[in-house]
Amino acid sequence: EPEVTQTPSHQVTQMGQEVILRCVPISNHLYFYWYRQILGQKVEFLVSFYNNEISEKSEIFDDQFSVERPDGSNFTLKIRSTKLEDSAMYFCASRPDSDDGYTFGSGTRLTVV
Amino acid sequence: AQSVTQLGSHVSVSEGALVLLRCNYSSSVPPYLFWYVQYPNQGLQLLLKYTTGATLVKGINGFEAEFKKSETSFHLTKPSAHMSDAAEYFCAVNPLSGSARQLTFGSGTQLTVLP
Repeated sequence: EPEVTQTPSHQVTQMGQEVILRCVPISNHLYFYWYRQILGQKVEFLVSFYNNEISEKSEIFDDQFSVERPDGSNFTLKIRSTKLEDSAMYFCASRPDSDDGYTFGSGTRLTVV
Repeated sequence: AQSVTQLGSHVSVSEGALVLLRCNYSSSVPPYLFWYVQYPNQGLQLLLKYTTGATLVKGINGFEAEFKKSETSFHLTKPSAHMSDAAEYFCAVNPLSGSARQLTFGSGTQLTVLP
């Protein structure tokens, strides 16, 4: 069964550093998402991406965040200057044109120290 | 705006007992509904989903859920709990509106299964 692949599985970074979280969505999917889950809390929507542009973003997704699909297969989330409160599990998801075919990756646990 | 409410952040059941995890949603139109399970330090695994048609949907690991439009609910059940069911469970909604159709998640219910 096709999978959404996220790398790395764990990342530790110092406050103020830039991080890039990587995702390879399922190849024939059209919509791409990033979600965040702070430890012990709910899964929160960050941003969606369709047709090579952001289609929606939440209030969490401020100027420190950016997304790219640089080569038609990878989908990246960049945090320019990490803060302690960015520590969380970040999930990538993708779906085809249907409204029920979401597939989530296994997540990247980001720890900011 | 869509919202999802999961009553009970922690639920404990004995092994072999009925599991009932509650989910209510608010939506102007019947949405698509999902239940995900998350084992410790792992990702989100789809248990089951409701889109259209039969309101009782069956999923993996013996779980099922019933969509009740009149009650705006989508409760998750399993007749007999197993130790391996211990995990966090999230209800999620696709509102079928907006361009992105992103999922909105409930706060989650941590299920503990007692021997």
